[in-house]
Amino acid sequence: QVHLVESGGGVVQPGGSLRLSCAASGFTFSGCGMHWVRQAPGKGLEWVAFIRYDGSNKYYADSVKGRFTISRDNSKSTLFLQMNSLRDEDTAVYYCASDIVVVAAKNYWGQGTLVTVSS
Amino acid sequence: EIVMTQSPATLSVSPGERATLSCRASQSLSSNLAWYQQKPGQTPRLLIYGASTRATGIPARFSGSGSGTEFTLTISSLQSEDFAVYYCHHYNNWPPWWTFGQGTKVEIK
Repeated sequence: QVHLVESGGGVVQPGGSLRLSCAASGFTFSGCGMHWVRQAPGKGLEWVAFIRYDGSNKYYADSVKGRFTISRDNSKSTLFLQMNSLRDEDTAVYYCASDIVVVAAKNYWGQGTLVTVSS
Repeated sequence: EIVMTQSPATLSVSPGERATLSCRASQSLSSNLAWYQQKPGQTPRLLIYGASTRATGIPARFSGSGSGTEFTLTISSLQSEDFAVYYCHHYNNWPPWWTFGQGTKVEIK
C-alpha cells in the first residue's frame, strides 16, 4: 500500500524558515518525479515545485523561486522542501505528490502538513 | 504561462442527474489534462488523466473529453459521494510545471 507522509509544518513568523519532509513507501520512489503543491485556507490548489526522479532537475513556481528549495534522498525515499524568507501568503496546507504513474494509472498524494506564517 | 479557467464556479445538481464541468486553457495542451476530486478535509483524488483515461478505481460514471483548449468532465448520474470540488489540472511535459484551474464546486440542489 502506498503512503506519503508529510511532516515539519507548524507556525513560523514572517521571514522565518521551515523544512518539510515527505516520507514515501509502497512504490518506486526513486523512479518517480515528485512535486509539492499547496492549498491556502479555503482556496484552490497551487503548484510549488518539482524535482526529477534522480534529483537532476528542479523547477519552481515564480511565487517561491529563490526562497524555497526542493530536494530528495532516494536512499531514504524522502522528499524535502526547505522554505526560507516565509511570508504571510505562504500560509497553506502543503502536499507532496507524485507524477502520474502510468503503469498504475494513478498518482499519489500525502495527507498534507499545515504551514502557518504569522506574527 | 498557461491559465486554466473552470466553469461554472458552482454547479447545483440533484442526485441522479448529469453534471457537466468545463475547463478552458489559454493555449493548446494536447492531452495533458487531468481532473481531481477533493472533499472537505481530504487530499485531492485523481479521476481522469490524458484528458479521457479514468484513473485506477474510478467509477465509470466519470468521463473526460476534449482536446486543445476545451475539456469537459461529465458525471453521468450524481451519487451522494460525488458532491465535492473538482479541479482541472494541466501537467506540462517539460518543463514539468503543473497548473490547476480554480475549481468547480458541485453541490446538492
